[in-house]
Amino acid sequence: DAGVIQSPRHEVTEMGQEVTLRCKPISGHDSLFWYRQTMMRGLELLIYFNNNVPIDDSGMPEDRFSAKMPNASFSTLKIQPSEPRDSAVYFCASSFVGWSTDTQYFGPGTRLTVL
Amino acid sequence: SQKIEQNSEALNIQEGKTATLTCNYTNYSPAYLQWYRQDPGRGPVFLLLIRENEKEKRKERLKVTFDTTLKQSLFHITASQPADSATYLCALVRQAGTALIFGKGTTLSVSS
Repeated sequence: DAGVIQSPRHEVTEMGQEVTLRCKPISGHDSLFWYRQTMMRGLELLIYFNNNVPIDDSGMPEDRFSAKMPNASFSTLKIQPSEPRDSAVYFCASSFVGWSTDTQYFGPGTRLTVL
Repeated sequence: SQKIEQNSEALNIQEGKTATLTCNYTNYSPAYLQWYRQDPGRGPVFLLLIRENEKEKRKERLKVTFDTTLKQSLFHITASQPADSATYLCALVRQAGTALIFGKGTTLSVSS
């Protein structure tokens, strides 16, 4: 398996622009997570999907952020409009909740820089 | 809300020594606790899981302990090597099927 795939790996944009991050989870996994990592705050959960349905979006910072999972093999995280404070590394992870371990498999991340 | 604290941001040790990293949590006891390794520019990678009814878990040179009375987990790397240099994250989950909560991590540097 190729693991969790994220694109793009790096994104540089200007304040006010729309940013879309993409994720393909591991085939067969039924849970998908979006995280944001910064030096100050560490790894923070933004949103958690189970069977394509958002279960917990309490970590989404504000209305500028939205996430979708139209099918089991694809998810997007959109920021509109983007702001400099959104600069961070965004990780997507997937897991198979049916396992007793709930081990999460992380993608390589997207490094977002908003100028 | 649940909080996780990892004892220090950085830990420097010499090759061959045992590295011990600490993870403390507050409020409710988790169903289980996980440790992840993260290398620069990469996503975290799962290492070990320990359940609330387990005291200790081992995997090769790694050992994890879980003390629900102290609300603490210790992560040990014996016979450390420079290749063990990375950031180690602890994460806990209250019950299966809910999201992990991560600590900020401890960056381990092993010098030869």
